[in-house]
Amino acid sequence: NFMLTQPHSVSESPGKTVIISCTRSRGSIANNYVQWYQQRPGSSPTIVIYEDNQRPSGVPDRFSGSIDSSSNSASLTISGLKTEDEADYYCQSYDSNNVIFGGGTKLTVL
Amino acid sequence: QVRLQQWGAGLLKPSETLSLTCAVYGGSISGFYWSWVRQPPGKGLEWIGEINHSGDTGYNPSLKSRVTISVDTSSNQFFLRLTSVTAADTALYFCARVVTVTKKFDYWGQGTQVTVSS
Repeated sequence: NFMLTQPHSVSESPGKTVIISCTRSRGSIANNYVQWYQQRPGSSPTIVIYEDNQRPSGVPDRFSGSIDSSSNSASLTISGLKTEDEADYYCQSYDSNNVIFGGGTKLTVL
Repeated sequence: QVRLQQWGAGLLKPSETLSLTCAVYGGSISGFYWSWVRQPPGKGLEWIGEINHSGDTGYNPSLKSRVTISVDTSSNQFFLRLTSVTAADTALYFCARVVTVTKKFDYWGQGTQVTVSS
């Protein structure tokens, strides 16, 4: 098995840009797609990025995803931050035996 | 529009069996995997396992000995059974649809709170 490690929390001001990282412990980040989910308090997760960098319809283009093989990590970038972006964000990937979620990052927009 | 609605017993005693049902509306159960994910209080998401319409399953190795996921294509429902529960199984349980190849969880149920307490 592998782990996906995310920062516990990040904070930034409205209008700014934040980047949330997700580092894979074993195996190449490029071998299996990475998804990102947003979870607001009291709600189910919703997908904001799939297949590393694809945005579902209805998700603003302020959200983008990427992977970096040199650091074996994925990143979620949110630009033009809005107070409504305040939530927990989870990365997710898989291998042949398991589906793994990162520990989650609490985004505070102050 | 696909919608997942889930239900099941919310309060269990240690050693009992957790049973949850997830009904799929607005789409066929064929062509996708269907998964269970849980979230302990104040913690992150943990994948429990998945099943497709043919009954092919995959389970989290850490839970495999206690978990059974099954499907009923005639009613468009799938089910979670977790045996010998302890307080560590207290969590919010979600069902979700999974796109087979990319493992994208694109539709989620509303969640069911399960508490294990004597």
